Amino acid sequence: GAVVSQHPSRVICKSGTSVKIECRSLDFQATTMFWYRQFPKQSLMLMATSNEGSKATYEQGVEKDKFLINHASLTLSTLTVTSAHPEDSSFYICSARTSVEIQYFGPGTRLLVL
Amino acid sequence: AQSVTQLDSHVSVSEGTPVLLRCNYSSSYSPSLFWYVQHPNKGLQLLLKYTSAATLVKGINGFEAEFKKSETSFHLTKPSAHMSDAAEYFCVYSGAGGTSYGKLTFGQGTILTVHP
Repeated sequence: GAVVSQHPSRVICKSGTSVKIECRSLDFQATTMFWYRQFPKQSLMLMATSNEGSKATYEQGVEKDKFLINHASLTLSTLTVTSAHPEDSSFYICSARTSVEIQYFGPGTRLLVL
Repeated sequence: AQSVTQLDSHVSVSEGTPVLLRCNYSSSYSPSLFWYVQHPNKGLQLLLKYTSAATLVKGINGFEAEFKKSETSFHLTKPSAHMSDAAEYFCVYSGAGGTSYGKLTFGQGTILTVHP
């Protein structure tokens, strides 16, 4: 099956620093990738849709200047949390779409901002 | 607006007994529905999907779900629970029209506990 990786799996950073998370589709090309956020004991919330070669589309309430998304190739999308604060601590999950109907998910990145 | 509602936040069963995880959906369009499973510290894995073909959908690991339009339900079942089934399960809706096309909306999740 289609495999999606994320790096790093865990990251701890100081408040005010920026953190970059990579999402890669390992054995397929994905024109569209998605970024989700999951707070403890809650469901996944879509943050943004990332299309290769174009600007990301952000969901309502998600700050595009805070969460920078780059989708420079068909196998890589990055999410940069800029000037991270403790309230940004969360589990960030990406997915890559092979067709309109199927998304394959990465293992997630746990971010802790001190 | 489309949505999915998982009726139970926690379900507890004994090993070897049937599993029923309930999901209702709300949609103006003919929906695409999925069940995903999330094991602790692991990524989401697709169990099965419904995309307007057969209403009874068989998935991996012995799970299946039945799409019932009259009840707007898509409940997940398994005849006999295994300890390895303990995880969190998400019922997911895929948008079919407009700006929601192809976007996934997740239910609140159901944590399944399996007792020996």
